[in-house]
Amino acid sequence: GAGVSQSPRYKVAKRGQDVALRCDPISGHVSLFWYQQALGQGPEFLTYFQNEAQLDKSGLPSDRFFAERPEGSVSTLKIQRTQQEDSAVYLCASSLAHDTQYFGPGTRLTVL
Amino acid sequence: DAKTTQPPSMDCAEGRAANLPCNHSTISGNEYVYWYRQIHSQGPQYIIHGLKNNETNEMASLIITEDRKSSTLILPHATLRDTAVYYCIVFRGYGNYGQNFVFGPGTRLSVLP
Repeated sequence: GAGVSQSPRYKVAKRGQDVALRCDPISGHVSLFWYQQALGQGPEFLTYFQNEAQLDKSGLPSDRFFAERPEGSVSTLKIQRTQQEDSAVYLCASSLAHDTQYFGPGTRLTVL
Repeated sequence: DAKTTQPPSMDCAEGRAANLPCNHSTISGNEYVYWYRQIHSQGPQYIIHGLKNNETNEMASLIITEDRKSSTLILPHATLRDTAVYYCIVFRGYGNYGQNFVFGPGTRLSVLP
């Protein structure tokens, strides 16, 4: 079946612009995670959804970062007033329950 | 979560077995060992996981020591396509909804022709 998909794959934003990154998890997967990966480093946790409920947002670096999953499937990560330090790959992962996570290809965000 | 320690880089000749070690000396009894890999410009790819017993699938084998303080991921016949960063992660999961993976820097495996 289809895996996790993310769009866009690449996004270039001017500093101060708002961006929205989309994640389509594997159908039926309850859990959805967002991670941020800086160049040369491992992914770092941002936030977690169980169905439509955002149960953990402890990894969001600032209040400019906002995530939603209104119907318990597709999720959007929004970054307001982007800064250069927001440049990274944003990864989405989903899991059936609380086990193996399957990752999407990521969205590479470059803030100029 | 238990921390893991991996060598930063390794080389392996094409066609030979690649043995990637991971130390997780503070692992708890209910924590699994997961392995993922990340090929350049792609998302992490699940390889294998285990709790106590050795595991094998079509991609790799996972050998966990009896005291569970370390493990080895074995790629039996490495190919150039196996060049990637390999992450060893300990994960409580299974009954703990929403536990995120904690990634370290991983091991950069280079398969050489």
